[in-house]
Amino acid sequence: AQRVTQPEKLLSVFKGAPVELKCNYSYSGSPELFWYVQYSRQRLQLLLRHISRESIKGFTADLNKGETSFHLKKPFAQEEDSAMYYCALGHSGAGSYQLTFGKGTKLSVIP
Amino acid sequence: DTEVTQTPKHLVMGMTNKKSLKCEQHMGHRAMYWYKQKAKKPPELMFVYSYEKLSINESVPSRFSPECPNSSLLNLHLHALQPEDSALYLCASSLGLATDTQYFGPGTRLTVL
Repeated sequence: AQRVTQPEKLLSVFKGAPVELKCNYSYSGSPELFWYVQYSRQRLQLLLRHISRESIKGFTADLNKGETSFHLKKPFAQEEDSAMYYCALGHSGAGSYQLTFGKGTKLSVIP
Repeated sequence: DTEVTQTPKHLVMGMTNKKSLKCEQHMGHRAMYWYKQKAKKPPELMFVYSYEKLSINESVPSRFSPECPNSSLLNLHLHALQPEDSALYLCASSLGLATDTQYFGPGTRLTVL
């Protein structure tokens, strides 16, 4: 069965410090990994996905199949990065496609 | 129009009421989803519609009844709900099925008294 683990419920960093949000997954097939972000009082939205290899708002994430990880990184945190971050695994099953979310990490950037 | 819209924003209902949640998108997406999100928890998948046909039902109680009248609309009919069903109900859509990004609506905050 597929599983996504985000070990930190809450992560606090100072502005300008590096940020790393951890995500590990378990899946027997070829994984599709995503990071979604939910800012306060805003809708859940895609931050980035491994297949596009983009850097969005300074964030990057590399899929490491050997370690089954997809950690989210940013070299210098900004106050506006404070939000809830969800790692998600896309997978097919029962004739359809769905996302399994991790429990989320709340990032708090201290001014 | 590049957004998923949901109505109403808030809904309060009694356990004997019948109500419906509505979701709409005009992006030409052919897959639509209902999720339930409790406070400080991740979204939990409830239903998936693919080309207007129900393809996934994640063992959701029958008091929740989804409907997809056309490719742009998704409804969730509610009847005889319980207080523990109070949550944020999210709708999402994606272009197709294989590895596509899901676009989420703002959600309907449901309170069951």
